[in-house]
Amino acid sequence: GAVVSQHPSWVICKSGTSVKIECRSLDFQATTMFWYRQFPKQSLMLMATSNEGSKATYEQGVEKDKFLINHASLTLSTLTVTSAHPEDSSFYICSASNLDRANTEAFFGQGTRLTVV
Amino acid sequence: AQTVTQSQPEMSVQEAETVTLSCTYDTSENNYYLFWYKQPPSRQMILVIRQEAYKQQNATENRFSVNFQKAAKSFSLKISDSQLGDTAMYFCAFMGTSGTYKYIFGTGTRLKVLA
Repeated sequence: GAVVSQHPSWVICKSGTSVKIECRSLDFQATTMFWYRQFPKQSLMLMATSNEGSKATYEQGVEKDKFLINHASLTLSTLTVTSAHPEDSSFYICSASNLDRANTEAFFGQGTRLTVV
Repeated sequence: AQTVTQSQPEMSVQEAETVTLSCTYDTSENNYYLFWYKQPPSRQMILVIRQEAYKQQNATENRFSVNFQKAAKSFSLKISDSQLGDTAMYFCAFMGTSGTYKYIFGTGTRLKVLA
């Protein structure tokens, strides 16, 4: 399958600072990238869907001003957690895809563990 | 709105035995896709198997097979000859074909294969 690289794998930041997480599709161009948040022993909660060159679509309850998503190219999307607080500590996962009726598989990054202290 | 339910938070199985993980979903769409993803301790999501709703034949991938019951909106995963490397979280996922293509995940089943 295709390779999606997420960086960093883990990050610790101080409360009030911002953190940027990168998601790159290494061997294919992805029209759509998804950002998920996963709490311990829980499922993946979709935060937002981003399409290259357009604004991200956020799921209900997700603060768009806090979780800034940029999808500047077909191989790179970034998630910036602004003014991070301890409650933002979580595991964040991205996936890249060209989902349609012919392409139904999404490819996932290895995730980023964010700890806000 | 579509929902995906996995009613078994945790399961265990002896090595070499067979185990079945349950998944039910709710949708008003007629054409959609269903998936089982595996998340091992490394946290990397790995596609195990997928099923297209318009196909009546159950999907099979080596030791993994599904029992897809469209009328009952049920999509169970059977793992045969379980191996220690099968120990992981397993997520059932739904993707519709009307509107935005995106995955909806179930709550997951933690499977432990015992030696």
